[in-house]
Amino acid sequence: GIQVEQSPPDLILQEGANSTLRCNFSDSVNNLQWFHQNPWGQLINLFYIPSGTKQNGRLSATTVATERYSLLYISSSQTTDSGVYFCAVTRDDKIIFGKGTRLHILP
Amino acid sequence: EAGVTQFPSHSVIEKGQTVTLRCDPISGHDNLYWYRRVMGKEIKFLLHFVKESKQDESGMPNNRFLAERTGGTYSTLKVQPAELEDSGVYFCASSRQMNTEAFFGQGTRLTVV
Repeated sequence: GIQVEQSPPDLILQEGANSTLRCNFSDSVNNLQWFHQNPWGQLINLFYIPSGTKQNGRLSATTVATERYSLLYISSSQTTDSGVYFCAVTRDDKIIFGKGTRLHILP
Repeated sequence: EAGVTQFPSHSVIEKGQTVTLRCDPISGHDNLYWYRRVMGKEIKFLLHFVKESKQDESGMPNNRFLAERTGGTYSTLKVQPAELEDSGVYFCASSRQMNTEAFFGQGTRLTVV
């Protein structure tokens, strides 16, 4: 099956810093989503981005489907950005998650 | 528009007991999925409904798990009898069409003691 690898697994940053999270996938996919799992365990949709670039406030994402990777950019980090960020791809109508990147923003 | 709703948010049961989790998808979403995250590991697929039909149940771990979606609206996931290794967070998701954006519920944290 498709492998989804996220890096780095853990990231600790000072408030105000920028970060880039990466997602590599092993085969072609129908679409790709980024989620943020907040401290209460909820999976919050960040981006639905099978290809191209999207921006939403301080967050942006780029997916290069031909090279099988996606990047999530977080600028001017805030403590509320802490949590686990998941990349998930869809293939044959099955969503496959990466292991996530745990982000900790220090005040 | 209401999001995906799961009930209960938490459940603590004893080994051997039965628990039923419920998921209400976004209205109009034919596709409903169940996922779980056990012991902080990866979020794993359990099964997929299209309306009331099981499209794919390849992720169901064993026959102690039974999912239903009568009428093609809400879905239930029953665990009977529950075992310690069933503890984890169970997520439900829905999407309007296959291979499109999926929206997840807040999850049900199940603890089997």
